[in-house]
This record gives sequence, C-alpha cells and structure tokens, in this order.
Amino acid sequence: QLQLQESGPGLVRPSETLSLTCIVSSGSISSGGFYWGWIRQPPGKGLEWIGIIDFSGSTHYNPSLKSRVTMSVDTSQGQFSLRLSSVTAADTAVYYCARLRIFVIRGESLDAFDIWGQGTRVTVSS
Amino acid sequence: EIVLTQSPGTLSLSPGERATLSCRASQSVSSNYLAWYQQKPGQAPRLLIYGASIRATGIPDRFSGSGSGTDFTLTISRLEPEDFALYYCQQYGSSPPMYTFGQGTKLEIK
Repeated sequence: QLQLQESGPGLVRPSETLSLTCIVSSGSISSGGFYWGWIRQPPGKGLEWIGIIDFSGSTHYNPSLKSRVTMSVDTSQGQFSLRLSSVTAADTAVYYCARLRIFVIRGESLDAFDIWGQGTRVTVSS
Repeated sequence: EIVLTQSPGTLSLSPGERATLSCRASQSVSSNYLAWYQQKPGQAPRLLIYGASIRATGIPDRFSGSGSGTDFTLTISRLEPEDFALYYCQQYGSSPPMYTFGQGTKLEIK
C-alpha cells in the first residue's frame, strides 16, 4: 500500500517561506492517473485545498493562495514539495499531503483524495 | 466559487441508529466530483465515498452516498462506535478550477 510522509520545520517565522516535502513510498510517483496534493487544516477548523501537481510538474493552485504557492516534484527521489511564501499566523495549520486518484468508470472521469499522509503541524510565530 | 454547506453542524445519535448527513452546494456540482471523508481526532481524513455514491476500497456497506445537482447525502445505516467522528464533503469545480470542502458535520454519541 502506497504511503505518504510529510516532513519539514514545525516553526516558521512570519514573512518567511514555509517549505514542506512529501515522500512517496511503496509506490511510484510517476504512475499515470494520479495527482499529488497539499491540503491544510487550521487548528479546530476545516480542510482547505492548497494545490495539486502531477509527475510532469503540471500544477493547479487554489486561487486564494496562488500568488504565494509553489509546488514541485522530484520523480528521481519519489517526492513532491510545497513552498508557501510570506506566511502569517493565518497559515498556522496541520499540512497534509495526499494522492488525488483519477478513476475512470464507464468512460467517465471521477477523482478523490484516496491516500493521505499523517499530517505535519506548522506554526507561524516569531 | 462553489460553497458547500453541511448540516447539521453536530449530530447526536446512539449506536445502532441511522445517520443522515447533508451537503448542499451553492450551485450545481458534477456527481463525478463529489466525495465524502471521515476524520477522527488526531488523524488524517479517510476517503469514504467518491463519485457521490461509490464506496472506496475497504469501506463497510453501512456507508452509502446519494444525491445530485446541489443536494448530496451520506447515510450510515447502523452506527457502530467507531463511526463517531467528523465528516466532510468535498467537490471539484471548474470555474474557477479548484477543490473545496464543506465545513464538516460532527457525529457524536448521544
């Protein structure tokens, strides 16, 4: 069973850049039919989609975060990364990486985030 | 941007009872891109339902999804103790292209 594991600093200073990496194990990041995504959850709140990337580097970002987000993929290392610039306290959250699986059923395309990492807590504070 | 509104915010039921959770979209959503997730405290969300009504691998058949257009429902036919958790609906919309989640329904033991 494919597994995802987030890594990165747990504390980031305001105005700096948050950098996280997700390692894909027991499976290939280069397989077709998948995107790789980041989703965050502020303390006590709901889920917010940040963006997705495929193995070729094609990205889609949440419009509300697009100006600050950069995602990249390293297929040789089996990992993908998130950079979020100019962070504030509002960016404090648990950050999850997840696999977006594309299902094809009766010729129609469906998708959902079917595998998630355990999450990593990031606090923005001076 | 499509907004998903889940109701009720909190649902108090007993084991063995039937749970009905609602997810209403601010505009019509493709059923192909409507999913439900379960989240327990301190854990990552788990995919339950995709395509509005298709159970994910390993999900018990007491979980079912239905709906179309703007109204979707997650039903748990007979609650087990491990079903008490937070539930989120999620959709993909193309204008603008993005994924959004509902605010969640907390299913608690009565």
